[in-house]
Amino acid sequence: AQKITQTQPGMFVQEKEAVTLDCTYDTSDPSYGLFWYKQPSSGEMIFLIYQGSYDQQNATEGRYSLNFQKARKSANLVISASQLGDSAMYFCAMREGQGNAGNMLTFGGGTRLMVKP
Amino acid sequence: GAVVSQHPSWVICKSGTSVKIECRSLDFQATTMFWYRQFPKQSLMLMATSNEGSKATYEQGVEKDKFLINHASLTLSTLTVTSAHPEDSSFYICSSPNPTGGVRSPLHFGNGTRLTVT
Repeated sequence: AQKITQTQPGMFVQEKEAVTLDCTYDTSDPSYGLFWYKQPSSGEMIFLIYQGSYDQQNATEGRYSLNFQKARKSANLVISASQLGDSAMYFCAMREGQGNAGNMLTFGGGTRLMVKP
Repeated sequence: GAVVSQHPSWVICKSGTSVKIECRSLDFQATTMFWYRQFPKQSLMLMATSNEGSKATYEQGVEKDKFLINHASLTLSTLTVTSAHPEDSSFYICSSPNPTGGVRSPLHFGNGTRLTVT
């Protein structure tokens, strides 16, 4: 079974508008962390935001916020005021066993976001 | 912040030859290095995990004799693709947790190596 599911292979958003990228996950571990990464066409992985399973509040980092719904096992990324430079692949990832920072990340299939001028 | 330097950024090789990819942690000790592979328009798939001074652990379906991983020091891990074939053409990317970064710390990625086997 897929541990991380991103159901939107591609999305368009108008510049300056907000967009939500979906991510659902599956784990039986009560302790886990969720990450979002941006991958532009050059290939590097850029860390955007983190949400821990025990965090009481949704994470925010500048224009990025995470809509964390633990009971539904979803961790959707919200990008506000989209910019042309936001066009990229976006990956949701999970680290199980939050207590171990050395555990690997499992990635979703990604969503390609295209921002229209 | 923690930096992982990966070289080369791209390489073209002939079928049957071997290619070595290096990942160096520049400002922290990388006791663990994860090696991922990404085919075009697909996600990152974990190939193997290397720990300094011990044998790498390979994911199911990854040939350990084909993808040789060496992690001989706390700052250097290498992946060698032996007897490369066109189907090995892919984007290979290494990543390491920062041991002092805590559980909220993301993995630190190299910039990746785009391998094309002709």
